[in-house]
Amino acid sequence: NAGVTQTPKFQVLKTGQSMTLQCAQDMNHNSMYWYRQDPGMGLRLIYYSASEGTTDKGEVPNGYNVSRLNKREFSLRLESAAPSQTSVYFCASSPGVSNEQFFGPGTRLTVL
Amino acid sequence: RKEVEQDPGPFNVPEGATVAFNCTYSNSASQSFFWYRQDCRKEPKLLMSVYSSGNEDGRFTAQLNRASQYISLLIRDSKLSDSATYLCAVNTGFQKLVFGTGTRLLVSP
Repeated sequence: NAGVTQTPKFQVLKTGQSMTLQCAQDMNHNSMYWYRQDPGMGLRLIYYSASEGTTDKGEVPNGYNVSRLNKREFSLRLESAAPSQTSVYFCASSPGVSNEQFFGPGTRLTVL
Repeated sequence: RKEVEQDPGPFNVPEGATVAFNCTYSNSASQSFFWYRQDCRKEPKLLMSVYSSGNEDGRFTAQLNRASQYISLLIRDSKLSDSATYLCAVNTGFQKLVFGTGTRLLVSP
């Protein structure tokens, strides 16, 4: 089992460009999450999907959109990237929202 | 008050030492508690769950103190490879896990 996979691993964007971060899990988990991690700020939840077909905002949703494509896949879209979105983005999944989460390897995004 | 708080450290300890971290939480209704380890430029990895009765995994012991609303992680016989940031995670009662900002541990020879 690959666990949680994320693509791409690295990305550099110019201000105003758009992109989609992909995440997939093969653990048959119901819940999936997108976090960003910045120095000194810890993990901040952007959006989550408690189950297939549902999505909810987290702590820092502005500037992002998500799609729960199916049970396995949960994508994060930046419509118009800004330098403030330079960060490391982690996707995670869990059997349910109150269970332990398992993380993907992350995407390092730089917005110039 | 933050929902979950950790001392950022760093905790500098020599090899072989015993070190303990605490993590306090604000919601008394919290039900699930976890410790994660995060190496530099890597993803957080689940270290252990924290049960009401406490639990031990080799050199690592996790405990829950509901009365004072904190969890702890004890590492015995520290190894160089234990150097990392340790994150706690707490289910706050509103279903989602909330992560602390982490405690950095540096183990020196």
